[in-house]
Amino acid sequence: GQQVMQIPQYQHVQEGEDFTTYCNSSTTLSNIQWYKQRPGGHPVFLIQLVKSGEVKKQKRLTFQFGEAKKNSSLHITATQTTDVGTYFCAGDMNYGGSQGNLIFGKGTKLSVKP
Amino acid sequence: KAGVTQTPRYLIKTRGQQVTLSCSPISGHRSVSWYQQTPGQGLQFLFEYFSETQRNKGNFPGRFSGRQFSNSRSEMNVSTLELGDSALYLCASSLGQVTGNTIYFGEGSWLTVV
Repeated sequence: GQQVMQIPQYQHVQEGEDFTTYCNSSTTLSNIQWYKQRPGGHPVFLIQLVKSGEVKKQKRLTFQFGEAKKNSSLHITATQTTDVGTYFCAGDMNYGGSQGNLIFGKGTKLSVKP
Repeated sequence: KAGVTQTPRYLIKTRGQQVTLSCSPISGHRSVSWYQQTPGQGLQFLFEYFSETQRNKGNFPGRFSGRQFSNSRSEMNVSTLELGDSALYLCASSLGQVTGNTIYFGEGSWLTVV
């Protein structure tokens, strides 16, 4: 079936180091969304990418959507302890509007050592 | 604007019992979906309701059911609980538009089956 693969599963970094998580879809996506879940919390929407090759920035976070709209990445520059959590990508598989078309990756759990 | 509200937040049930979880979406949102989150399986889509109709369904057994009311509030029910049903159950709402939906998660209901 349709899948969104996300790697790595875990990432441990020293505070100040960079961090990147990658998502790959088996099918072309209409858009991709990124969420962050803090320990003990619920997923919170970060951003949505729609256009082929799109790049968006939020302070130290850079999000990219591949040219083929099958892959995406989230890069954090100079991580801080507040970045700790699990980052999920969610690929929207078609234009039907249904939330059921969102396929979540398994997430990358980021830990930051001060 | 109030966020997605889920009740109860925590509950403990015994195998074989049934449970009902409630979700109030963000005002104006007509689409409500439910997810099960476990450490091993990640975020798995249960079903989605839009305007009181089930619009999409994931791969869960018939013990998992849901409904949506005219005010968009939703409930999900799990009958004949099994130990493996222990999980965080997340409700999410969105406008349910054709494309580019952003979904907003509630804080979840932590279910423990003993």
